[in-house]
Amino acid sequence: GESVGLHLPTLSVQEGDNSIINCAYSNSASDYFIWYKQESGKGPQFIIDIRSNMDKRQGQRVTVLLNKTVKHLSLQIAATQPGDSAVYFCAETSPYSSASKIIFGSGTRLSIRP
Amino acid sequence: DAGVTQSPTHLIKTRGQHVTLRCSPISGHKSVSWYQQVLGQGPQFIFQYYEKEERGRGNFPDRFSARQFPNYSSELNVNALLLGDSALYLCASSSGTAGEKLFFGSGTQLSVL
Repeated sequence: GESVGLHLPTLSVQEGDNSIINCAYSNSASDYFIWYKQESGKGPQFIIDIRSNMDKRQGQRVTVLLNKTVKHLSLQIAATQPGDSAVYFCAETSPYSSASKIIFGSGTRLSIRP
Repeated sequence: DAGVTQSPTHLIKTRGQHVTLRCSPISGHKSVSWYQQVLGQGPQFIFQYYEKEERGRGNFPDRFSARQFPNYSSELNVNALLLGDSALYLCASSSGTAGEKLFFGSGTQLSVL
């Protein structure tokens, strides 16, 4: 079946350090991957996405890496700030999905130490 | 521009009751998707509607239904509520039907007692 999982449920990082959140996916047919950030009391907020024809994509302070060989996805956050504290979800979808059926992982909670 | 808006923000119901949740998509978006998020888990897909037609359905019982109106707003209905239906219900809008960036609302927190 389809599943998107995460290696670590929680991650504690020193303010100013880089954060790396990892994710494994099982559906080799998935071709679109997204990272979402969810703060308490809010809905998931889009951070960055990547399609399967790429292995790296950069945004503002964030980078997503995709390794299709081992079906692994990671989110790197540079110079982590207190405002980065949230739960981060990786998500996937495939071209065989007839709808915007995005499959979410269970999430990693990122906490920032001052 | 307003983002995705959902109402109500919080709701308390008892077992066996019925509930209706509402969602207004971002202006110009024709697709609305509904997700259920149980505490401590990632959101799970329930439905997608595009141009008032159901385009996808997740693994949820028939007690869950939805519809989309001509103005692209949407309602999610849940009948015969169970304790396990307690969750955050999220609505997301997008411009298309698949492979599109989803924009989520803040959700409706449903508690079933």
